Amino acid sequence: QKEVEQNSGPLSVPEGAIASLNCTYSDRVSQSFFWYRQYSGKSPELIMSIYSNGDKEDGRFTAQLNKASQYVSLLIRDSQPSDSATYLCAPYGGSNYKLTFGKGTLLTVNP
Amino acid sequence: DVKVTQSSRYLVKRTGEKVFLECVQDMDHENMFWYRQDPGLGLRLIYFSYDVKMKEKGDIPEGYSVSREKKERFSLILESASTNQTSMYLCASSPNRDGGETQYFGPGTRLLVL
Repeated sequence: QKEVEQNSGPLSVPEGAIASLNCTYSDRVSQSFFWYRQYSGKSPELIMSIYSNGDKEDGRFTAQLNKASQYVSLLIRDSQPSDSATYLCAPYGGSNYKLTFGKGTLLTVNP
Repeated sequence: DVKVTQSSRYLVKRTGEKVFLECVQDMDHENMFWYRQDPGLGLRLIYFSYDVKMKEKGDIPEGYSVSREKKERFSLILESASTNQTSMYLCASSPNRDGGETQYFGPGTRLLVL
């Protein structure tokens, strides 16, 4: 059974701080990794993808991947109240067309 | 922009009714997916399709069926709705046959079965 583990939160940070969201996965053949943001009552939207070890930056977002440790993280710099949402980690295993979603971490950014 | 649309945002049905949820994508994507999302359980895959008339069971296919007669349209069918099928249903699509590309989600259908 492929598993994706995320701290459910809530993770609470003050506005302007760095929010750090973590994810571990069990499937060693996972090749691609996606972070989705989901606002309450809305559908998930992609915010970052990462395919190789190291860091990938996109604006205020940085995704970090360590395949040896089976660990992927998302850093949000200069957090804003509009970043308050649930963040879903989703590795892709490469063999069955499917993403495996974690249950998500609820982030709250306090003004 | 990729657009995935779902036929209804909210739906109320009675136990035993046959329910059709429709999903349409306009980007010529190969793969389409149906999920349900429940508090504490996360996103769970019901069925997916990687080609017209092709379908594969996901993690929780029981009580559901699907149809993909055209590439852009993927339907989820609840043959006889039950109260435990009350949920948020999300459709998604992804571009390529290998599935490694991003999945794009529709707005969701919140189904209440009474």
